[in-house]
Amino acid sequence: GIQVEQSPPDLILQEGANSTLRCNFSDSVNNLQWFHQNPWGQLINLFYIPSGTKQNGRLSATTVATERYSLLYISSSQTTDSGVYFCAVGGKLIFGQGTELSVKP
Amino acid sequence: DTAVSQTPKYLVTQMGNDKSIKCEQNLGHDTMYWYKQDSKKFLKIMFSYNNKELIINETVPNRFSPKSPDKAHLNLHINSLELGDSAVYFCASSQAVIGIPGAEAFFGQGTRLTVV
Repeated sequence: GIQVEQSPPDLILQEGANSTLRCNFSDSVNNLQWFHQNPWGQLINLFYIPSGTKQNGRLSATTVATERYSLLYISSSQTTDSGVYFCAVGGKLIFGQGTELSVKP
Repeated sequence: DTAVSQTPKYLVTQMGNDKSIKCEQNLGHDTMYWYKQDSKKFLKIMFSYNNKELIINETVPNRFSPKSPDKAHLNLHINSLELGDSAVYFCASSQAVIGIPGAEAFFGQGTRLTVV
């Protein structure tokens, strides 16, 4: 089956800093999503991005399907960005292990 | 008007009991899913239904039985609960089968099941 690896596993940022989260996957896919799981456990859709680039406020994402990776950019981070970021790919929505982000004030 | 709603949000029960978790979506989607998130936050698909038909059935103990009375509802029934069943269970829905372009999945708020 498809393997999904996210990096880094943990990230601590000072408020206002920028960061890049990476998602590598082992096979070609036509579906990729980024989620934010907030400290209350809710899974929030960030991007549906099987290919190309999208932006939503301070967040943007790029998927290079031919090279089997996706990047999530967070700019000017805020404490409310804290939580776990997941990418998920493929027909069964295979999840990576997540990147746990902590933004300090 | 929550898009995907699960009940209950929290469930504490004793070993050996039978329990159900309900899920409803008002997005008009054809496909619904159950995922399990373990204590290390790893999320894995358990089941998927498309128009009330089972299309994905991962390696899950047969104590877990999904039931879809209509395409807006997918319930999860668990028999003879064990300590290892403690986890957060998420319901999700999408317009089509995941993998088909445009089939973005949306998740419910999760049900935290604790077996004591």
